[in-house]
Amino acid sequence: EPEVTQTPSHQVTQMGQEVILRCVPISNHLYFYWYRQILGQKVEFLVSFYNNEISEKSEIFDDQFSVERPDGSNFTLKIRSTKLEDSAMYFCASSKQGMNEKLFFGSGTQLSVL
Amino acid sequence: GESVGLHLPTLSVQEGDNSIINCAYSNSASDYFIWYKQESGKGPQFIIDIRSNMDKRQGQRVTVLLNKTVKHLSLQIAATQPGDSAVYFCAESGSARQLTFGSGTQLTVLP
Repeated sequence: EPEVTQTPSHQVTQMGQEVILRCVPISNHLYFYWYRQILGQKVEFLVSFYNNEISEKSEIFDDQFSVERPDGSNFTLKIRSTKLEDSAMYFCASSKQGMNEKLFFGSGTQLSVL
Repeated sequence: GESVGLHLPTLSVQEGDNSIINCAYSNSASDYFIWYKQESGKGPQFIIDIRSNMDKRQGQRVTVLLNKTVKHLSLQIAATQPGDSAVYFCAESGSARQLTFGSGTQLTVLP
């Protein structure tokens, strides 16, 4: 069964460093998303992406965050200068039938900012 | 503000019994709802979805009920199995143009 894959599974970084989280969405999906989940809390929306541009973004997704689809298979989330409060599990998701419909999630990247 | 919330943070059921997990939402413009299952250390796994023009939808061992009058959503799991133990989230989308998750219910299946 096709699945969303994310790398790395764990990322440890120093505060102020840049990180890039990588995702390979399901191949025939057109809509892509990043969510995050701080330990014990809700899954929070960060950004949605369609047709090579951001469709929607949350207040969390400030100027330190960016997304890119550099080729036909990868979808990346970059955090330019990480802060302690960026520590969370970051989930990539993709969907086929419509924006915000039937999202399939990857297993996540656990980001720890020290 | 808009929110999606769950009535109970934890639910314990005996193996073989049916489980009912509830969810309340406040945005009357929400028109699409999804239930996700999240096991420890994994991403949310799609279970079932329902649009606001329906009030019931069935899948394999699962049923979602939608009551738009009281803004309530429930997930029923028939013959609950140990593998069903997980956190269950409801999520909704509508005018907010994003999928908004509730806070989750921990389902524990007792032997």
